[in-house]
Amino acid sequence: DSGVTQTPKHLITATGQRVTLRCSPRSGDLSVYWYQQSLDQGLQFLIQYYNGEERAKGNILERFSAQQFPDLHSELNLSSLELGDSALYFCASSVSDSPEQFFGPGTRLTVL
Amino acid sequence: GNSVTQMEGPVTLSEEAFLTINCTYTATGYPSLFWYVQYPGEGLQLLLKATKADDKGSNKGFEATYRKETTSFHLEKGSVQVSDSAVYFCALSLQGAQKLVFGQGTRLTINP
Repeated sequence: DSGVTQTPKHLITATGQRVTLRCSPRSGDLSVYWYQQSLDQGLQFLIQYYNGEERAKGNILERFSAQQFPDLHSELNLSSLELGDSALYFCASSVSDSPEQFFGPGTRLTVL
Repeated sequence: GNSVTQMEGPVTLSEEAFLTINCTYTATGYPSLFWYVQYPGEGLQLLLKATKADDKGSNKGFEATYRKETTSFHLEKGSVQVSDSAVYFCALSLQGAQKLVFGQGTRLTINP
């Protein structure tokens, strides 16, 4: 158990809908990262937050957004969903200066 | 840009065989290097890491040495077990930009 929690574990929804994925980092970790794992794209970095502020952006679509709250949990919002958004979404956390990241169990999103 | 290339899978071995999974990288600067493992239905777990040239990371019988001259970080294990069956990801992160850049993953199956 990495100490990073993600909810829900599975999510099934329809095209055009909006969903929210939630992540709680390990106790004491200030950085939260979001990654998408799909069969065709592999594991891709989406976005990083550090202590409430956006720090880095990767291949995140404009339809996607995220935030980190004062209690350090983070949410990833996916809107106007398309079939191609079906994937595993992972959250990871790290202490401020460490390159080592700890991953949650992931949320499997299926868009029908 | 920064990238990681892993040997193509899947890899199938018999129990007690010697394992090598090749990983090479391209990076600007001096990356930290990681191997992550993903067991079926689970998130990613950090297997081992190395943060500077000639460092050797090791864990659970697995080893990898950071070779700057060949830009490689090959994963090895002397005697694999059925329980090592999983997908293995090589990854790098750069100082000051802590997002992980992953290879495409190598699926390993160990037969009894």
